[in-house]
Parts: sequence; C-alpha cells; structure tokens
Amino acid sequence: QSVLTQPPSASGTPGQRVTISCSGSNSNIGSNAVNWFQQFPGAAPQLLIHSLNERPSGVPDRFSGSKSGTSASLAISGLQSGDEADYYCAAWDDSLNGWVFGGGTKLTVL
Amino acid sequence: EEQLVESGGGLVKPGGSLRLSCVVSGFSFIRHNMIWVRQTPGKGLEWVSSISGDSVNIYYGDSMTGRFTTSRDNAKNSLFLHINSLRVDDMAVYYCARISSAWSIDLWGRGTLVTVSS
Repeated sequence: QSVLTQPPSASGTPGQRVTISCSGSNSNIGSNAVNWFQQFPGAAPQLLIHSLNERPSGVPDRFSGSKSGTSASLAISGLQSGDEADYYCAAWDDSLNGWVFGGGTKLTVL
Repeated sequence: EEQLVESGGGLVKPGGSLRLSCVVSGFSFIRHNMIWVRQTPGKGLEWVSSISGDSVNIYYGDSMTGRFTTSRDNAKNSLFLHINSLRVDDMAVYYCARISSAWSIDLWGRGTLVTVSS
C-alpha cells in the first residue's frame, strides 16, 4: 500500500489532454514539493516535473504539474503514442523522514 | 555526462547477504544526498534509504531498518547498500538516485536486479 494515492490507470486519445492525480497528506505533499516520473518498460524512472512546476531540460512543455493542499496533478496535453508509460508521483515526508511514492499510473494512448 | 551505475545484484538464497554498489561520474558526488529505491517486478517504487553528502544523516524505510545499511565513499564516488538476512520479498530492482539542490530525485541509475530464491 503506497503512501501517496494514484489511479492505477488512465487513458486518452492522441491530441487529448489527460491528468493524473496524486493524493497525500500534510506531512508530504502538503509540506513539500512533488516530483513526477515517467517510466518505460525495462527502463529506470526519469524526472518529469519537480518543485511547483519545473521541468528538467529536455522535457516538453506538454507536461505540467500543479498542487493544491495535499493533492497534486500531472497534466499531459497533446497526448502522443510515445507518452504511453507508467507515471509516478513522489514527495519527501517530514514525519517519516523519507521519500514516499505513489503506486503508479499506467497511461494508455488509445 | 552525469551517470550512476549500479552493480552487485544477483541470485541469493534466503537468509543470505549482498552488497550493492553505485559508482557515479560527471558531477560532484559529495555535494549530493543520495538515495536507494527498489521496485518489485511489475510493481511500484519503494524508497529504501537516504544518505547525506557527509554521511551524517542516514535514514531507512520502515521495513528496511535493521537489515539494510547504506554507506558512501566520497573519495571513490561510490554509494553502497548492504542487505542482510535477505527475504523473498526483498527481490526487486534496486536503483540508486541523486537528490538535487532543489530537493528532487533528478538522476537515476539503470538499476541492479536482486533475486532471492532457494
């Protein structure tokens, strides 16, 4: 059971905008920045979004993040077939003194 | 190029021990906190441990305390994870990762697979 809660799956058609939610608590998302990761099968996770809505170099601006209270969301606009992957959220937890992750969301592009 | 390369995984019998290594290159290792994260096959990510650049602060996930030991050798740009009394549920891909100054997990290794089976 993951500390952060994500929907197990999401889907959309090419060109569509999809959002993936991540729910936590005051000690993690409520107090700290959220990281979003993209993971393709057989590969390591890669950072997509960090801090409030910062993208590492090379991440397209189709990916954006937001946060409200103890919840966060990842939005992907102009959905492409290459976006089909697993997406994870994570945040530092002040009570646990450690990183907590969501269970991951499998995105399918129909 | 900034890079993290894990090694040391393999097949181990239940009750055995293992030492995983992570060699970094392309950046100043001592300036970064580092973490270990594991991923069981077909499942999600689980934080294992964190270690500060000076090794003063070391933290472990709840289910890791007692059997897992994280250390680093800044002179050798290396991070280590020693696991004792391995259990079947420790079977996973173990990743080392870097914590950036913005407190994000911004660089990951490719991972090393630990298989626990008799």
